[in-house]
Amino acid sequence: GAVVSQHPSRVICKSGTSVKIECRSLDFQATTMFWYRQFPKQSLMLMATSNEGSKATYEQGVEKDKFLINHASLTLSTLTVTSAHPEDSSFYICSARSSGGVGTQYFGPGTRLLVL
Amino acid sequence: GQQLNQSPQSMFIQEGEDVSMNCTSSSIFNTWLWYKQDPGEGPVLLIALYKAGELTSNGRLTAQFGITRKDSFLNISASIPSDVGIYFCAGPAASGGSNYKLTFGKGTLLTVNP
Repeated sequence: GAVVSQHPSRVICKSGTSVKIECRSLDFQATTMFWYRQFPKQSLMLMATSNEGSKATYEQGVEKDKFLINHASLTLSTLTVTSAHPEDSSFYICSARSSGGVGTQYFGPGTRLLVL
Repeated sequence: GQQLNQSPQSMFIQEGEDVSMNCTSSSIFNTWLWYKQDPGEGPVLLIALYKAGELTSNGRLTAQFGITRKDSFLNISASIPSDVGIYFCAGPAASGGSNYKLTFGKGTLLTVNP
């Protein structure tokens, strides 16, 4: 299947700082990328949908000013957690969708964020 | 919004046993997806189902799309230790439109004892 990468794989930061996470589709063009958050022993919760060249669509309850998403190209989307706090510590996973239906949504390996 | 009820929440089985888990919804889904997530990794797509009644296999895995379009099950035959992980069902949310947003079940944690 197609490959999606995320960088960094894990990050530890101080409270109040901002953290940027990159999501790349390595061998296909992704018109749509999705950002999820997963807390321990819980399911994936969709945070936002990112379309190349347009503003991201955020799910209810997700602060768009806190979680900045940029989808500058067909292979790269970034999520910036601004002014991170300990409650933002979580596992952040992106997915990328190529053309061809919902089954072709590929997930990245995730980024573990720990805010001290 | 749409919700997916996945059961069981966890299973402890012996190597070699067969496993069955299922997912139900109060609303109709046009696609059912089954993913596996290993610890510290992102989900990997196992099987995709696109048609009511469809039965699809992927090695030792078999999944079916319920005729009512409100349920799906995943079977794993002759389990092995590397089957350990969390299995999620998922489907496109009603509000997804052309973006194909997915709704996920809460997952089934599978433990296989050698």
